[in-house]
Amino acid sequence: NAGVTQTPKFQVLKTGQSMTLQCAQDMNHEYMSWYRQDPGMGLRLIHYSVGAGITDQGEVPNGYNVSRSTTEDFPLRLLSAAPSQTSVYFCASRTGRGGGRHEQYFGPGTRLTVT
Amino acid sequence: GEDVEQSLFLSVREGDSSVINCTYTDSSSTYLYWYKQEPGAGLQLLTYIFSNMDMKQDQRLTVLLNKKDKHLSLRIADTQTGDSAIYFCAESYNTGKLIFGQGTTLQVKP
Repeated sequence: NAGVTQTPKFQVLKTGQSMTLQCAQDMNHEYMSWYRQDPGMGLRLIHYSVGAGITDQGEVPNGYNVSRSTTEDFPLRLLSAAPSQTSVYFCASRTGRGGGRHEQYFGPGTRLTVT
Repeated sequence: GEDVEQSLFLSVREGDSSVINCTYTDSSSTYLYWYKQEPGAGLQLLTYIFSNMDMKQDQRLTVLLNKKDKHLSLRIADTQTGDSAIYFCAESYNTGKLIFGQGTTLQVKP
């Protein structure tokens, strides 16, 4: 298993540009989430999904869109990047069943800078 | 509402015990977690506790939960330099959401 993969690892955008951060998992997990991590702020939940076709907003959803057309993939779209979106983005997944539902697997992160 | 608070920094000497504290506001959370993040890496699950338990011990780690005060703590016995990292507490909900605190940076001095 590759676990949770994220691409790209690093990205620099200009204000107003759009891009999609990719996240994929090969563990057949139902739950997938996107977080951003800023110094002194911890991880803040952007959007999450409890299964294909189902998404919901987290704490800081503004400026981001998601969709979940397959179990494996959960892309995060920035429609018009702003400097306030400079952050490290983590994707995570977990199963919804049994004892394994407590183990949330994190991807390696995408470091995004918006100038 | 959903809010998880932690102190930002803790410094201890190698061999001492470390106690990292966390408070949360929403009593509807189901499980509470402790994660560890080393520099440049993602988060690693350390341990978790069901919200109707008071204590859980796992080798050097002891988790205490005071539901009345909505207070969670993580005690690391015999702290080692390899324990230096950022520690996050988090609460989960039946909806699948996981809300994190700001993280506590643990510095272990030799």
